[in-house]
Amino acid sequence: GESVGLHLPTLSVQEGDNSIINCAYSNSASDYFIWYKQESGKGPQFIIDIRSNMDKRQGQRVTVLLNKTVKHLSLQIAATQPGDSAVYFCAESYNQGGKLIFGQGTELSVKP
Amino acid sequence: NAGVTQTPKFQVLKTGQSMTLQCAQDMNHNSMYWYRQDPGMGLRLIYYSASEGTTDKGEVPNGYNVSRLNKREFSLRLESAAPSQTSVYFCASRWTGSETQYFGPGTRLLVL
Repeated sequence: GESVGLHLPTLSVQEGDNSIINCAYSNSASDYFIWYKQESGKGPQFIIDIRSNMDKRQGQRVTVLLNKTVKHLSLQIAATQPGDSAVYFCAESYNQGGKLIFGQGTELSVKP
Repeated sequence: NAGVTQTPKFQVLKTGQSMTLQCAQDMNHNSMYWYRQDPGMGLRLIYYSASEGTTDKGEVPNGYNVSRLNKREFSLRLESAAPSQTSVYFCASRWTGSETQYFGPGTRLLVL
């Protein structure tokens, strides 16, 4: 049978549209969340983070929303550009131990 | 600042051979991490070093050893490589006052 995790969820959007990438996290005790962008052949790059005492945080063209009730995190990218095409990972941390638990990732494809 | 650097960029090994992956950071970070990334999956923690002189196992430590040579450098050693260790290896570092980890460009390892 097919192993879990071999096929990334994919989101395809038109250039200029807004993108929403979702993530379900596992530990209700997690107190820090972070989004990374990984372009092909490169290491993960920090995009934005949020602590559990916040529901929303905005950056440049990006917004992260946190819903602790349902353990859900989302990344919104405004006016998506071809350069946004990449795999996006969410990660969680708890106890401030510095260890991150990564999600599977979502591949974002932007059509010109 | 170069950030986090890794060598080599790519390596091919035969089963049973050994090698050391090198990582260095110039950001004066205290904590350093080694992850592996397999196709279609997120990053899994192999080993980490919370501070100079300490190392701890992560989620998938079997078959690996690490050395925190000094504050800047953290190496990962495969004593007897196996095909299951074919992966992309990422090193990351973190300043104690933040939970954000910064990643290197990765080492692509193929074990035949």
